[in-house]
Amino acid sequence: EPEVTQTPSHQVTQMGQEVILRCVPISNHLYFYWYRQILGQKVEFLVSFYNNEISEKSEIFDDQFSVERPDGSNFTLKIRSTKLEDSAMYFCASSGVGIRGEQYFGPGTRLTVT
Amino acid sequence: GDSVTQMEGPVTLSEEAFLTINCTYTATGYPSLFWYVQYPGEGLQLLLKATKADDKGSNKGFEATYRKETTSFHLEKGSVQVSDSAVYFCALDRGSTLGRLYFGRGTQLTVWP
Repeated sequence: EPEVTQTPSHQVTQMGQEVILRCVPISNHLYFYWYRQILGQKVEFLVSFYNNEISEKSEIFDDQFSVERPDGSNFTLKIRSTKLEDSAMYFCASSGVGIRGEQYFGPGTRLTVT
Repeated sequence: GDSVTQMEGPVTLSEEAFLTINCTYTATGYPSLFWYVQYPGEGLQLLLKATKADDKGSNKGFEATYRKETTSFHLEKGSVQVSDSAVYFCALDRGSTLGRLYFGRGTQLTVWP
């Protein structure tokens, strides 16, 4: 069964450093998403991406964040200058045609900022 | 704004017990409602969905009915198994083309043999 994959599974970085989180969505999906979950809190939407552009972003997704689909398979989230409060589990998801909320999630990348 | 309120956990049950996890929502328009499940070490998986009022979503013995009058989408299972131990998330999608999901906090379920 096709699945969404994410790398790395765990990333430790120092405050102020740039990180890139990588995702490979399901191959025939057209809509891509990033969510994050700070420990003990809700899963929060960051951004959605369709047709090579951002279709929606939350208030969390400020200028420090960017997304890119550099080729036909990868979908990346970049944080330019990490802060302690960026420590969280980051989930990538994708969906096809049909109900947008029916999304397929990757296993997540745990980002720890020290 | 749109939001989901979910029963706080953790929930601990014996095998074959009845499960209810409460979920209520606030939304404008006509949202679609979902339950996602996260097993240890894995990503969220769609468990069931309902796209309009009075729809019942079901999968793997779990059920939830979209109640517009009470703005609820409670998850139920008649007889839980140890393998159902996981975190359960209630979520809504406003039904637009954009697909942004609003999640509840998640409820940890542990089932003992």
